[in-house]
Amino acid sequence: SAVISQKPSRDICQRGTSLTIQCQVDSQVTMMFWYRQQPGQSLTLIATANQGSEATYESGFVIDKFPISRPNLTFSTLTVSNMSPEDSSIYLCSVVDSSGANVLTFGAGSRLTVL
Amino acid sequence: GENVEQHPSTLSVQEGDSAVIKCTYSDSASNYFPWYKQELGKRPQLIIDIRSNVGEKKDQRIAVTLNKTAKHFSLHITETQPEDSAVYFCAASSSGGSYIPTFGRGTSLIVHP
Repeated sequence: SAVISQKPSRDICQRGTSLTIQCQVDSQVTMMFWYRQQPGQSLTLIATANQGSEATYESGFVIDKFPISRPNLTFSTLTVSNMSPEDSSIYLCSVVDSSGANVLTFGAGSRLTVL
Repeated sequence: GENVEQHPSTLSVQEGDSAVIKCTYSDSASNYFPWYKQELGKRPQLIIDIRSNVGEKKDQRIAVTLNKTAKHFSLHITETQPEDSAVYFCAASSSGGSYIPTFGRGTSLIVHP
């Protein structure tokens, strides 16, 4: 399965600032997603990162707050903009491997704490 | 869209006992049902999955069953060990669409030594 490198692994941020999370995959993948996992909660899909076009956002998530880039088939970034304490969460990059098995693999996650 | 319900939210068992986690789904088009295990502070990892063309799948102490008619599937762990303690998530998706799995809310399994 694909190996995903995600950074930063954790960060402490000040209210009102923005932080960009990077996701690097060791192979080309068609489908790449960004999830949020709030403390003790399930995995909530933020958006599908589309290569060469705008991301597809789920209900409740908007581009101005969570801009996403995907310049190629191995890399994507998620920015959490104008952060507030409610944005404190784990953000996970995930990919569907291209082997045809449709298995979803997650990165290690980025734990953000907003003060 | 798909809706996945998962029960129980917390499950506490003694080492050596069996544990069962149940999920139901709403979309009859769903045909792929993975289970993920998330240990504290770590990423969710796939432990077993089942596709709609089979009713049961086993992998050592773990088994998953699927009832497509009733739209429910279950995870069975036998001879539980303390290292089985984790949060388990079920999910459902359809390979015919864009493949975006919908996750259940998770079950926190605690295995007492």
